Amino acid sequence: AQSVTQLGSHVSVSEGALVLLRCNYSSSVPPYLFWYVQYPNQGLQLLLKYTSAATLVKGINGFEAEFKKSETSFHLTKPSAHMSDAAEYFCAVSDQYTGFQKLVFGTGTRLLVSP
Amino acid sequence: DGGITQSPKYLFRKEGQNVTLSCEQNLNHDAMYWYRQDPGQGLRLIYYSQIVNDFQKGDIAEGYSVSREKKESFPLTVTSAQKNPTAFYLCASSIDVPTTEAFFGQGTRLTVV
Repeated sequence: AQSVTQLGSHVSVSEGALVLLRCNYSSSVPPYLFWYVQYPNQGLQLLLKYTSAATLVKGINGFEAEFKKSETSFHLTKPSAHMSDAAEYFCAVSDQYTGFQKLVFGTGTRLLVSP
Repeated sequence: DGGITQSPKYLFRKEGQNVTLSCEQNLNHDAMYWYRQDPGQGLRLIYYSQIVNDFQKGDIAEGYSVSREKKESFPLTVTSAQKNPTAFYLCASSIDVPTTEAFFGQGTRLTVV
């Protein structure tokens, strides 16, 4: 069974600092990986996705993630945090062999940004 | 504007009552999903449907029921058999291909009073 693990339920950074949110996956087949962002009492919005093309994926709002097969990781980064980045971030995996799009989510990481 | 509409945004239920959460999409997506979100637990799949008149149980289907009579609509009923229904419920839809992302509604917060 596939799964994702997000290390750290909360991450705190100062405005302008590097953002690093960790995601490790477990999958017996090449996975498709996604990062979503959720603002309070809102739905989820896609930040970026990896679908076996380039291993470095650029997304919206200056975020990017690198797929590292040897480390089974797909960490999310942003060079300089902004106050508006404060939200909850979810990593998700989809199995390309199920024949349909079924996401398994991590438990989420809440990003706190201080002035 | 294409998207997914969930209603109501907030819902209060008395013990022993069934309630139905609405989800409508105009994205022409075949697949639709219901997730439950609890603090610290991420999103867990309740039911999904790949096509009209067909749906499958997800990981936590007990106490819930769904229907898919129209492509655009996928309502979720929280029955009295669901022992702990207070949660945030999210509906999503997608093209039924693993590489594509799911699009989410704004959610319904259900509280048992």
